[in-house]
Amino acid sequence: DSGVTQTPKHLITATGQRVTLRCSPRSGDLSVYWYQQSLDQGLQFLIQYYNGEERAKGNILERFSAQQFPDLHSELNLSSLELGDSALYFCASSVVGGAPYTFGSGTRLTVV
Amino acid sequence: AQTVTQSQPEMSVQEAETVTLSCTYDTSESNYYLFWYKQPPSRQMILVIRQEAYKQQNATENRFSVNFQKAAKSFSLKISDSQLGDTAMYFCAFMKLWGQYGNNRLAFGKGNQVVVIP
Repeated sequence: DSGVTQTPKHLITATGQRVTLRCSPRSGDLSVYWYQQSLDQGLQFLIQYYNGEERAKGNILERFSAQQFPDLHSELNLSSLELGDSALYFCASSVVGGAPYTFGSGTRLTVV
Repeated sequence: AQTVTQSQPEMSVQEAETVTLSCTYDTSESNYYLFWYKQPPSRQMILVIRQEAYKQQNATENRFSVNFQKAAKSFSLKISDSQLGDTAMYFCAFMKLWGQYGNNRLAFGKGNQVVVIP
């Protein structure tokens, strides 16, 4: 167990639907990161939060949004889902930026 | 944007042998970190080793070592005495050093599949 908890582990949903992925960072970590891993795009950075504030945005679609709550857990919301959104979504956390990340085990999203 | 390139998409190695994975990156920055991550079939992303660009000494973690050539923008990983548990996808990653509260995204390469053969 890495200390970063992602739920659910697997999710199957239909096109056009909306889902929420949840991440609890490792105890003491203030930074949370979201990454998408797909066969064609590889590992892509989506977004970073630090202590509740958005710090950086990567290749995140407008249909996707995220937030970090006061208890530091984070949620990634994916809406109007398309087949191409099927991927493994990772959350990671670190104490401060630049420190090595600890990754969660990922959420496997399948859009049918 | 920084780009990270990994060639040799799949490599096989006999147990107890040595394998070296190549990685090159493109950046105009002088302060950054480089990482190798391992992703076994379980899909978990596991940090293997980290190198700070300002350090000339190559990082080592047990059987894993790197050859960091800053001028050539090259960062290879050597796995010595390969074990069956080393079978995994290995990703090279780059992080620009913005400061501890800033943008600390990782840019990943496409990965190298390593298969350790008994």
